Amino acid sequence: ETGVTQTPRHLVMGMTNKKSLKCEQHLGHNAMYWYKQSAKKPLELMFVYSLEERVENNSVPSRFSPECPNSSHLFLHLHTLQPEDSALYLCASSQELLGAELHYGYTFGSGTRLTVV
Amino acid sequence: QKEVEQDPGPLSVPEGAIVSLNCTYSNSAFQYFMWYRQYSRKGPELLMYTYSSGNKEDGRFTAQVDKSSKYISLFIRDSQPSDSATYLCAMTGAGSYQLTFGKGTKLSVIP
Repeated sequence: ETGVTQTPRHLVMGMTNKKSLKCEQHLGHNAMYWYKQSAKKPLELMFVYSLEERVENNSVPSRFSPECPNSSHLFLHLHTLQPEDSALYLCASSQELLGAELHYGYTFGSGTRLTVV
Repeated sequence: QKEVEQDPGPLSVPEGAIVSLNCTYSNSAFQYFMWYRQYSRKGPELLMYTYSSGNKEDGRFTAQVDKSSKYISLFIRDSQPSDSATYLCAMTGAGSYQLTFGKGTKLSVIP
Protein backbone atom coordinates (compact mmCIF):
# COMPACT_ATOMS: atom_id res chain seq x y z
CA GLU A 1 0.00 0.00 0.00
CA THR A 2 1.59 3.23 -1.13
CA GLY A 3 -0.66 5.57 0.85
CA VAL A 4 -2.28 6.81 -2.35
CA THR A 5 -5.25 4.76 -3.51
CA GLN A 6 -6.79 5.05 -6.95
CA THR A 7 -10.07 3.55 -8.12
CA PRO A 8 -11.00 1.96 -10.37
CA ARG A 9 -7.85 0.12 -11.44
CA HIS A 10 -9.22 -0.46 -14.93
CA LEU A 11 -11.90 1.39 -16.87
CA VAL A 12 -13.29 0.86 -20.34
CA MET A 13 -15.62 3.56 -21.59
CA GLY A 14 -17.29 4.59 -24.78
CA MET A 15 -16.71 8.00 -26.28
CA THR A 16 -20.12 9.24 -25.18
CA ASN A 17 -19.87 8.01 -21.59
CA LYS A 18 -19.26 10.01 -18.44
CA LYS A 19 -17.08 8.48 -15.74
CA SER A 20 -14.94 9.61 -12.82
CA LEU A 21 -11.56 8.54 -11.49
CA LYS A 22 -10.99 8.75 -7.75
CA CYS A 23 -7.82 9.28 -5.78
CA GLU A 24 -7.42 9.23 -2.00
CA GLN A 25 -4.25 9.87 -0.02
CA HIS A 26 -3.74 8.87 3.60
CA LEU A 27 -0.43 10.69 4.09
CA GLY A 28 -1.55 14.10 5.29
CA HIS A 29 -0.05 15.71 2.18
CA ASN A 30 -1.13 19.15 1.04
CA ALA A 31 -0.56 18.88 -2.71
CA MET A 32 -2.12 16.47 -5.20
CA TYR A 33 -1.53 15.92 -8.90
CA TRP A 34 -2.99 14.17 -11.93
CA TYR A 35 -0.53 12.75 -14.47
CA LYS A 36 -1.14 10.97 -17.77
CA GLN A 37 1.21 8.16 -18.79
CA SER A 38 1.01 7.01 -22.41
CA ALA A 39 3.12 4.35 -24.05
CA LYS A 40 6.50 5.64 -25.23
CA LYS A 41 5.85 9.12 -23.84
CA PRO A 42 7.04 10.89 -20.69
CA LEU A 43 4.61 11.46 -17.85
CA GLU A 44 2.48 14.50 -18.60
CA LEU A 45 1.36 16.73 -15.77
CA MET A 46 -2.33 17.53 -16.13
CA PHE A 47 -3.53 19.24 -12.97
CA VAL A 48 -2.07 20.40 -9.66
CA TYR A 49 -3.91 21.18 -6.45
CA SER A 50 -2.48 22.75 -3.32
CA LEU A 51 -4.68 22.88 -0.23
CA GLU A 52 -7.69 22.13 -2.43
CA GLU A 53 -6.98 25.05 -4.76
CA ARG A 54 -6.10 24.39 -8.39
CA VAL A 55 -2.74 25.94 -9.22
CA GLU A 56 -2.03 24.40 -12.59
CA ASN A 57 -3.98 23.36 -15.62
CA ASN A 58 -1.51 22.30 -18.28
CA SER A 59 -3.56 23.03 -21.40
CA VAL A 60 -5.70 19.98 -20.78
CA PRO A 61 -8.85 19.60 -22.94
CA SER A 62 -12.08 20.47 -21.21
CA ARG A 63 -13.30 16.89 -21.52
CA PHE A 64 -11.13 16.32 -18.43
CA SER A 65 -12.48 18.07 -15.35
CA PRO A 66 -10.72 17.82 -11.98
CA GLU A 67 -12.26 18.22 -8.56
CA CYS A 68 -10.57 18.44 -5.17
CA PRO A 69 -13.23 18.56 -2.41
CA ASN A 70 -10.63 18.31 0.38
CA SER A 71 -6.89 17.75 0.76
CA SER A 72 -7.29 13.95 0.88
CA HIS A 73 -9.43 13.41 -2.20
CA LEU A 74 -8.99 14.18 -5.88
CA PHE A 75 -11.29 13.29 -8.75
CA LEU A 76 -10.96 13.39 -12.50
CA HIS A 77 -14.29 13.61 -14.28
CA LEU A 78 -14.28 12.34 -17.86
CA HIS A 79 -16.76 12.97 -20.66
CA THR A 80 -16.81 12.57 -24.44
CA LEU A 81 -13.30 11.20 -24.50
CA GLN A 82 -11.35 10.24 -27.61
CA PRO A 83 -9.48 6.99 -28.28
CA GLU A 84 -6.17 8.86 -27.94
CA ASP A 85 -7.09 9.55 -24.32
CA SER A 86 -6.50 5.87 -23.56
CA ALA A 87 -3.61 5.80 -21.07
CA LEU A 88 -2.61 5.17 -17.47
CA TYR A 89 -3.82 8.02 -15.27
CA LEU A 90 -1.71 8.47 -12.18
CA CYS A 91 -2.53 10.42 -9.07
CA ALA A 92 0.31 11.66 -6.87
CA SER A 93 0.69 13.65 -3.70
CA SER A 94 3.50 15.53 -1.97
CA GLN A 95 3.94 17.09 1.44
CA GLU A 96 4.04 20.61 0.08
CA LEU A 97 3.79 22.16 -3.37
CA LEU A 98 7.10 24.01 -3.45
CA GLY A 99 10.39 24.22 -1.67
CA ALA A 100 12.68 21.76 -0.04
CA GLU A 101 10.30 18.83 0.00
CA LEU A 102 11.52 17.54 -3.32
CA HIS A 103 13.79 15.05 -1.66
CA TYR A 104 10.72 13.18 -0.56
CA GLY A 105 9.40 13.26 -4.10
CA TYR A 106 5.92 12.39 -5.08
CA THR A 107 4.00 9.43 -3.75
CA PHE A 108 2.15 7.91 -6.68
CA GLY A 109 -0.89 5.69 -6.72
CA SER A 110 -0.99 2.57 -8.88
CA GLY A 111 -3.04 4.34 -11.52
CA THR A 112 -6.23 3.77 -13.47
CA ARG A 113 -5.77 2.06 -16.83
CA LEU A 114 -8.30 3.81 -19.09
CA THR A 115 -9.37 2.44 -22.45
CA VAL A 116 -11.65 4.55 -24.64
CA VAL A 117 -13.52 2.56 -27.28
CA GLN B 1 14.99 19.19 -28.97
CA LYS B 2 13.17 17.35 -26.19
CA GLU B 3 13.89 18.59 -22.69
CA VAL B 4 14.85 15.18 -21.36
CA GLU B 5 16.14 12.29 -23.47
CA GLN B 6 16.13 8.75 -22.13
CA ASP B 7 16.68 5.56 -24.11
CA PRO B 8 13.52 3.47 -23.65
CA GLY B 9 15.36 0.16 -24.10
CA PRO B 10 14.40 -2.53 -23.41
CA LEU B 11 17.63 -3.41 -21.62
CA SER B 12 18.24 -7.02 -20.68
CA VAL B 13 21.15 -8.05 -18.42
CA PRO B 14 22.17 -11.21 -16.54
CA GLU B 15 21.81 -11.34 -12.77
CA GLY B 16 24.82 -9.84 -11.02
CA ALA B 17 25.67 -7.41 -13.84
CA ILE B 18 26.29 -3.71 -13.35
CA VAL B 19 23.55 -1.69 -14.98
CA SER B 20 23.99 1.86 -16.25
CA LEU B 21 20.93 3.98 -17.01
CA ASN B 22 21.25 7.49 -18.40
CA CYS B 23 19.39 10.68 -19.25
CA THR B 24 20.47 13.84 -20.99
CA TYR B 25 18.72 17.16 -20.69
CA SER B 26 18.80 20.58 -22.28
CA ASN B 27 17.47 22.95 -19.61
CA SER B 28 20.39 24.42 -17.67
CA ALA B 29 17.97 25.58 -14.95
CA PHE B 30 17.46 22.02 -13.73
CA GLN B 31 19.08 21.54 -10.33
CA TYR B 32 17.19 18.66 -8.72
CA PHE B 33 17.44 15.20 -10.21
CA MET B 34 15.51 12.11 -9.34
CA TRP B 35 15.20 8.49 -10.36
CA TYR B 36 11.88 6.72 -10.04
CA ARG B 37 11.31 2.99 -10.36
CA GLN B 38 8.04 1.69 -11.75
CA TYR B 39 7.08 -1.94 -11.50
CA SER B 40 4.51 -3.37 -13.88
CA ARG B 41 0.95 -2.32 -12.97
CA LYS B 42 2.24 0.03 -10.26
CA GLY B 43 2.88 3.75 -9.95
CA PRO B 44 6.43 5.15 -9.92
CA GLU B 45 8.28 5.22 -6.59
CA LEU B 46 11.15 7.54 -5.72
CA LEU B 47 14.45 5.68 -5.76
CA MET B 48 17.17 8.34 -5.63
CA TYR B 49 17.30 12.11 -5.25
CA THR B 50 20.31 14.33 -6.00
CA TYR B 51 20.80 18.05 -5.79
CA SER B 52 23.16 19.69 -8.31
CA SER B 53 26.29 17.85 -9.44
CA GLY B 54 27.99 14.93 -7.77
CA ASN B 55 27.38 11.38 -6.70
CA LYS B 56 24.99 9.81 -4.24
CA GLU B 57 25.08 6.21 -3.12
CA ASP B 58 22.37 4.14 -1.49
CA GLY B 59 23.12 0.46 -1.14
CA ARG B 60 23.50 -1.04 -4.61
CA PHE B 61 22.37 2.18 -6.29
CA THR B 62 24.53 5.16 -7.26
CA ALA B 63 23.21 8.33 -8.87
CA GLN B 64 25.57 10.66 -10.71
CA VAL B 65 24.92 14.14 -12.03
CA ASP B 66 27.22 16.01 -14.40
CA LYS B 67 25.67 19.43 -14.90
CA SER B 68 28.43 20.60 -17.22
CA SER B 69 27.48 17.84 -19.67
CA LYS B 70 23.78 17.89 -18.75
CA TYR B 71 23.97 14.16 -18.14
CA ILE B 72 22.70 12.02 -15.28
CA SER B 73 23.22 8.34 -14.58
CA LEU B 74 21.93 5.62 -12.32
CA PHE B 75 24.16 2.62 -11.65
CA ILE B 76 22.87 -0.61 -10.18
CA ARG B 77 25.51 -3.00 -8.83
CA ASP B 78 24.95 -6.73 -8.44
CA SER B 79 21.63 -6.47 -10.26
CA GLN B 80 18.83 -8.76 -9.12
CA PRO B 81 15.70 -10.06 -10.87
CA SER B 82 13.72 -7.88 -8.45
CA ASP B 83 15.34 -4.85 -10.11
CA SER B 84 13.36 -5.62 -13.28
CA ALA B 85 11.22 -2.52 -13.78
CA THR B 86 11.01 0.71 -15.76
CA TYR B 87 13.34 3.44 -14.51
CA LEU B 88 12.29 7.04 -15.01
CA CYS B 89 14.57 10.02 -14.63
CA ALA B 90 12.97 13.28 -13.50
CA MET B 91 14.29 16.75 -12.89
CA THR B 92 13.24 20.27 -12.00
CA GLY B 93 14.56 23.74 -11.21
CA ALA B 94 14.63 25.75 -8.01
CA GLY B 95 11.24 26.82 -6.70
CA SER B 96 9.37 24.65 -9.21
CA TYR B 97 7.00 21.83 -8.36
CA GLN B 98 6.83 20.63 -11.96
CA LEU B 99 8.94 17.60 -12.66
CA THR B 100 10.08 16.91 -16.22
CA PHE B 101 10.30 13.18 -16.79
CA GLY B 102 12.15 11.04 -19.28
CA LYS B 103 10.26 8.33 -21.16
CA GLY B 104 11.68 5.61 -18.94
CA THR B 105 14.02 2.67 -19.60
CA LYS B 106 12.62 -0.83 -19.23
CA LEU B 107 15.12 -3.11 -17.51
CA SER B 108 14.98 -6.90 -17.29
CA VAL B 109 17.44 -8.78 -15.08
CA ILE B 110 17.61 -12.41 -16.15
CA PRO B 111 18.31 -15.06 -13.44
